[in-house]
Amino acid sequence: DVKVTQSSRYLVKRTGEKVFLECVQDMDHENMFWYRQDPGLGLRLIYFSYDVKMKEKGDIPEGYSVSREKKERFSLILESASTNQTSMYLCASTNPGGAYEQYFGPGTRLTVT
Amino acid sequence: QQPVQSPQAVILREGEDAVINCSSSKALYSVHWYRQKHGEAPVFLMILLKGGEQKGHEKISASFNEKKQQSSLYLTASQLSYSGTYFCGTDKSPGGSRLTFGEGTQLTVNP
Repeated sequence: DVKVTQSSRYLVKRTGEKVFLECVQDMDHENMFWYRQDPGLGLRLIYFSYDVKMKEKGDIPEGYSVSREKKERFSLILESASTNQTSMYLCASTNPGGAYEQYFGPGTRLTVT
Repeated sequence: QQPVQSPQAVILREGEDAVINCSSSKALYSVHWYRQKHGEAPVFLMILLKGGEQKGHEKISASFNEKKQQSSLYLTASQLSYSGTYFCGTDKSPGGSRLTFGEGTQLTVNP
């Protein structure tokens, strides 16, 4: 079974803090993604990575950065957390050109106060 | 630009049918459907590739009209387990990796 895990289910941070969200997949997938999910807005792509040390901006990259030093791990970084970054963050992984299915992690509910 | 899903929400009684639509203003190569149950991660249902193919398994099927850039998800004889939020994800090119998701349709099936 494919497994995508995220470091925390719930996280509370203060405005201005640097926040790290970690995602690990165990299926040797090449592509990894970070989405944020907000009511009425669906899933919006923040960043994705198609290889180690490679990354591309998604639709809403402002205020975020990412790191992929190892194939199985993809980190999302909020350099200076703000209240409008309070959201559910979902990580996903897939292999390109194959079955297309994206496997999602359980999500991290981040609250910035 | 996000695809537009309709309706935003639908409430059914067990055994009733439902249709969820997904429309894009851009030419699409594929449409992907996911379901997310409350408190859980989204789970892949199926993919529709350019060509208008209709796919499905059991009582959930979908179609893709590439001329209209529209896909429809058909849920037949709904079961309680169908409750959740359904998302379509669209891709403009082969590869199926970078998806743009719609805002979701919340489906509630009552006994």
